[in-house]
Amino acid sequence: NAGVTQTPKFRILKIGQSMTLQCTQDMNHNYMYWYRQDPGMGLKLIYYSVGAGITDKGEVPNGYNVSRSTTEDFPLRLELAAPSQTSVYFCASSFAGGEDTGELFFGEGSRLTVL
Amino acid sequence: QQQVKQSPQSLIVQKGGISIINCAYENTAFDYFPWYQQFPGKGPALLIAIRPDVSEKKEGRFTISFNKSAKQFSLHIMDSQPGDSATYFCAAKRTDSWGKLQFGAGTQVVVTP
Repeated sequence: NAGVTQTPKFRILKIGQSMTLQCTQDMNHNYMYWYRQDPGMGLKLIYYSVGAGITDKGEVPNGYNVSRSTTEDFPLRLELAAPSQTSVYFCASSFAGGEDTGELFFGEGSRLTVL
Repeated sequence: QQQVKQSPQSLIVQKGGISIINCAYENTAFDYFPWYQQFPGKGPALLIAIRPDVSEKKEGRFTISFNKSAKQFSLHIMDSQPGDSATYFCAAKRTDSWGKLQFGAGTQVVVTP
């Protein structure tokens, strides 16, 4: 079972460059999320999606964009990389419905450094 | 604005000892309180969770205690083992929201042999 798969695992960007973090899940979950994790700050929600074609902002959306064209994929795009975007990014998914608790399943993370 | 405050930031406990991590929340509209465990280089994974109509939940060596009136909840790790060394995050979910968790800042637990 692959679960949630993120690529790349590591990336170094120069200021002003753009890139896309890829995320795919094979659990047929309807909800997907992007979090960033900074030391001593916990996880902050960047964007989330409740289904294909529907996305919404989280706590810290500035500097990022997302799209959700399929149930499986939820890429995160950084248009003009800034040092403040140096972080570890986690994609997660959950199934929402019925009595389900909405447990989040996380990928292994993408470590991004902007120099 | 940190809606879920977690302490301590780190703790060291001897093998066999008890690890206690505390969290406090401000928003009374939260209805689900999970704890996630994260090992180095991995994503967080659900460890145990509780709803506010229950004061305590135990799963093996892990126990959540919940105090609704004080808006506090805590994780107790009994008989701590070196394999429990990880970062632990408390979280809270609003009643009107699936999966949009508010996370605490995390506690790094080190269990010494």
